[in-house]
Amino acid sequence: AQSVAQPEDQVNVAEGNPLTVKCTYSVSGNPYLFWYVQYPNRGLQFLLKYITGDNLVKGSYGFEAEFNKSQTSFHLKKPSALVSDSALYFCAVREDTDKLIFGTGTRLQVFP
Amino acid sequence: GAGVSQTPSNKVTEKGKYVELRCDPISGHTALYWYRQSLGQGPEFLIYFQGTGAADDSGLPNDRFFAVRPEGSVSTLKIQRTERGDSAVYLCASSPSTGGGTGELFFGEGSRLTVL
Repeated sequence: AQSVAQPEDQVNVAEGNPLTVKCTYSVSGNPYLFWYVQYPNRGLQFLLKYITGDNLVKGSYGFEAEFNKSQTSFHLKKPSALVSDSALYFCAVREDTDKLIFGTGTRLQVFP
Repeated sequence: GAGVSQTPSNKVTEKGKYVELRCDPISGHTALYWYRQSLGQGPEFLIYFQGTGAADDSGLPNDRFFAVRPEGSVSTLKIQRTERGDSAVYLCASSPSTGGGTGELFFGEGSRLTVL
């Protein structure tokens, strides 16, 4: 069965610095990988996805993610963090079915 | 509105009562999903509909939980004999994808259920 792991409960970064939120996945076939963001009292919002092709995927709000098949990772990155990026970030994976499986989430805190 | 709509936004009930949560997906979206999110956890898959039929209900925790989508649009999640452990935010999402799993899900803001 497919699964994702987000090893960090919280990531702290200063505004203007680069940020990375880690995600690793486990599937038996080809993975479809997603990142979602959840702001307080709001629904989950789609950020970006990897289906096939270029390993570097660009998404909303300046975020990008790098698919690494050998390391089974799909880390979320942003070159310069903003205080408004502070939120809960979820990695998710689909395999052969349409069921999307989420990780436990990483809270990103960007300090001014 | 154009997004996924969930009602009620908040529901407080007593242990043992019956609860219904409603989801109105984005118009034209064939796929509809229910997830449950407990405090500090990621969304946990419950059930997925493709049209009117439940394509995968493997996440429903027990037979107290049931969901329907009779006309392929609005869905209702039904919980019988509620328990305190059912307290969570119930999320609904829809997707235009009809298969293959490449499309993203569009989520509603959730229904927060509190069982006293």
